[in-house]
Amino acid sequence: DAKTTQPPSMDCAEGRAANLPCNHSTISGNEYVYWYRQIHSQGPQYIIHGLKNNETNEMASLIITEDRKSSTLILPHATLRDTAVYYCIVLLSNFGNEKLTFGTGTRLTIIP
Amino acid sequence: DGGITQSPKYLFRKEGQNVTLSCEQNLNHDAMYWYRQDPGQGLRLIYYSQIVNDFQKGDIAEGYSVSREKKESFPLTVTSAQKNPTAFYLCASSTRSRTGLAEQYFGPGTRLTVT
Repeated sequence: DAKTTQPPSMDCAEGRAANLPCNHSTISGNEYVYWYRQIHSQGPQYIIHGLKNNETNEMASLIITEDRKSSTLILPHATLRDTAVYYCIVLLSNFGNEKLTFGTGTRLTIIP
Repeated sequence: DGGITQSPKYLFRKEGQNVTLSCEQNLNHDAMYWYRQDPGQGLRLIYYSQIVNDFQKGDIAEGYSVSREKKESFPLTVTSAQKNPTAFYLCASSTRSRTGLAEQYFGPGTRLTVT
């Protein structure tokens, strides 16, 4: 699976959009980009995933560049409850038998 | 409510004792996983099971054992052979998303302290 690079920490003002970058320059054509987040002392929570096209759900939007070498997770109106560590993961489909590899992620702090 | 439960939330043991962490899910998921997390680090996979009565070693299986006798349950035993057992242990189960890939759901975790 491709390696990802994320900034170790970021701040965002409450109510503003939080844009979390992820670099995955060695991604292959059939590898997906996944995002999870972990609020302090809790289990990680799935946010969103995508392959080529941009994706949006009730939690966030995922923007993947055309060359797929990087992506951005967007939380449109950040709240204090969005303070967490965000993990960007790239993995290959294995028919539902994928194993997640978590790096150290980005610690996002929402500032009141 | 459907979900994954882990108990207890905090566990304390003396060095040299085996300890079993509980993980139960009522999501009807086939696959279950155990991860370990150390302070400031990401998660590392210990064991996983795709189906009842079958399980595979993850990246750091040494010093741990598991069983999968029921679909709903995947207990993890931390043995005395595990050299640094103090950590936050997370259990997960997964189902296939609309794209066919596994989407993992995590329990609240058990924080194990061995002294």
